[in-house]
Amino acid sequence: GQNIDQPTEMTATEGAIVQINCTYQTSGFNGLFWYQQHAGEAPTFLSYNVLDGLEEKGRFSSFLSRSKGYSYLLLKELQMKDSASYLCAVRTGANNLFFGTGTRLTVIP
Amino acid sequence: GAVVSQHPSRVICKSGTSVKIECRSLDFQATTMFWYRQFPKKSLMLMATSNEGSKATYEQGVEKDKFLINHASLTLSTLTVTSAHPEDSSFYICSASSGAPNEKLFFGSGTQLSVL
Repeated sequence: GQNIDQPTEMTATEGAIVQINCTYQTSGFNGLFWYQQHAGEAPTFLSYNVLDGLEEKGRFSSFLSRSKGYSYLLLKELQMKDSASYLCAVRTGANNLFFGTGTRLTVIP
Repeated sequence: GAVVSQHPSRVICKSGTSVKIECRSLDFQATTMFWYRQFPKKSLMLMATSNEGSKATYEQGVEKDKFLINHASLTLSTLTVTSAHPEDSSFYICSASSGAPNEKLFFGSGTQLSVL
């Protein structure tokens, strides 16, 4: 089976930096995605990593180490609107995408 | 970016009835569509993968006779929850892929199903 783990909940202060970790053990690997999801809404795409290293996109960065089965999402200059669930997802084949448990981030003033 | 439309956004039905959820790719041809289920405060669980013109592939533990998936065209996939029961109440989300290598998936807006 596919095993993708994230912390269940995190809390951080507005303006700070937060790192959300994701570890995975899957049958096959063809890329790792991070999605943001607000309650009752569809996930929205944040980032994609298929090679080792850091991908930066504005306030969001994502890191991947394939040998360690590890990724993290880094959010800088946190804003209240960043309060949401962050989903780590691994593509195992052509397009099968399996999601992690999700991390609920609460940003406090 | 690509748009995936999902309808209805919310449905309330009586136990024993069937409910159909539609997922359409509006500006691209979706060779593959995926159906996910999400319980409150939980992550998305892949239910099945449907390819246009062929039978869907169901994940372990998902009853194919309970959750009927049809992908009759390159722009439409439907999920029918048959003989719905209260435990089927959940948030169902579809996503679509054109099949291009390393393409990110685009998600529909989801359907909140409540079975009374």
